Amino acid sequence: GESVGLHLPTLSVQEGDNSIINCAYSNSASDYFIWYKQESGKGPQFIIDIRSNMDKRQGQRVTVLLNKTVKHLSLQIAATQPGDSAVYFCAEKEYVGGFKTIFGAGTRLFVKA
Amino acid sequence: DTAVSQTPKYLVTQMGNDKSIKCEQNLGHDTMYWYKQDSKKFLKIMFSYNNKELIINETVPNRFSPKSPDKAHLNLHINSLELGDSAVYFCASSQDSGLALRDTQYFGPGTRLTVL
Repeated sequence: GESVGLHLPTLSVQEGDNSIINCAYSNSASDYFIWYKQESGKGPQFIIDIRSNMDKRQGQRVTVLLNKTVKHLSLQIAATQPGDSAVYFCAEKEYVGGFKTIFGAGTRLFVKA
Repeated sequence: DTAVSQTPKYLVTQMGNDKSIKCEQNLGHDTMYWYKQDSKKFLKIMFSYNNKELIINETVPNRFSPKSPDKAHLNLHINSLELGDSAVYFCASSQDSGLALRDTQYFGPGTRLTVL
């Protein structure tokens, strides 16, 4: 079935610490995963993606890890800053005549100064 | 310079009314989408259009009718509004046909619809 979920609805971290946001998915055939960031009053913004033939991908201060064995995805943010405060969504793509993006429930990240 | 724009940003209306939300993208993208985000932040696709042609049509009441006059615009018309339609509606666009796996979507700022 199509199910992308998150372990924690909220996460609070101290500025400068590393953040880890987790996500579980149920479709073992999923081939592509994306992390989005949504700031208050704005639309989701692409952060980083990863294909199922990889287990790690790094961007600027962000790393996505994929564990296909347990169908788990995580987003790591290094040296978390106040500007990182937002809701983070993991998403997967499913093909239904065109690619449909299925979003998880979202995790709200609070960064304490 | 806004890449994907939506109007209005806020829409408050009575049950039973008909309303439209407009979306425009100036990115030259071929595919546009409508998403609904509920009060719990759950985001779900409603429709996608590629070059004015409907590609994805999720299980959405037929009170919702998307209209794409050209590939830069995708408007959403809602008839007989109900309380449960209250949500934030996001328009998005992507460069390719929607048939490419890696096809980044760019979202608009959202329209908050409140049905009283």
